[in-house]
Amino acid sequence: GAVVSQHPSRVICKSGTSVKIECRSLDFQATTMFWYRQFPKKSLMLMATSNEGSKATYEQGVEKDKFLINHASLTLSTLTVTSAHPEDSSFYICSARDAGGGFHSPLHFGNGTRLTVT
Amino acid sequence: SQKIEQNSEALNIQEGKTATLTCNYTNYSPAYLQWYRQDPGRGPVFLLLIRENEKEKRKERLKVTFDTTLKQSLFHITASQPADSATYLCALPMNRDDKIIFGKGTRLHILP
Repeated sequence: GAVVSQHPSRVICKSGTSVKIECRSLDFQATTMFWYRQFPKKSLMLMATSNEGSKATYEQGVEKDKFLINHASLTLSTLTVTSAHPEDSSFYICSARDAGGGFHSPLHFGNGTRLTVT
Repeated sequence: SQKIEQNSEALNIQEGKTATLTCNYTNYSPAYLQWYRQDPGRGPVFLLLIRENEKEKRKERLKVTFDTTLKQSLFHITASQPADSATYLCALPMNRDDKIIFGKGTRLHILP
């Protein structure tokens, strides 16, 4: 089945530093990847849609300069949390849809990154 | 905008019984609806998709229904097992485009 690899799985960083999270589709090409954030016992909140070769589109309330997204190839999207603060601590999950699957096709998720900002 | 309500935050079901989870949406009827399973500390895993013109979809012990009049989908697990314990998420497209939004999920506990 389709596999999405997300790294790192856990990261602890100091306030004010930046953290990069990678999301790779291993056996399929993804023109679109989605980044979600999840708080404990809460729903997945869509942060942004990452489009290969073009700018990401951000959901309302998500700061594009804070959460930098780059989708440089059909198999890789990165999310960089810039100047991280403790309130950025959360579980970040990426997902990808097979480019050949159509818009009904399911999302394939990475296993998430637990970010802790101290 | 579309809102998704999964009415039970947690559900305890005796092993062997059928677990039924509910998903309601508030606005337009989506072109399709999906169900995912999420285990603690992991990303969601896709289970089933049902399209707006389908009433029911089955996969092994899983069954999903879709009632566009009631704006509701039901997710059933028959002959439930402790290994079915997880959080189940209902998902559908936002504004009929390709962005997917998720409900809060229902934490299902199958009691041995």
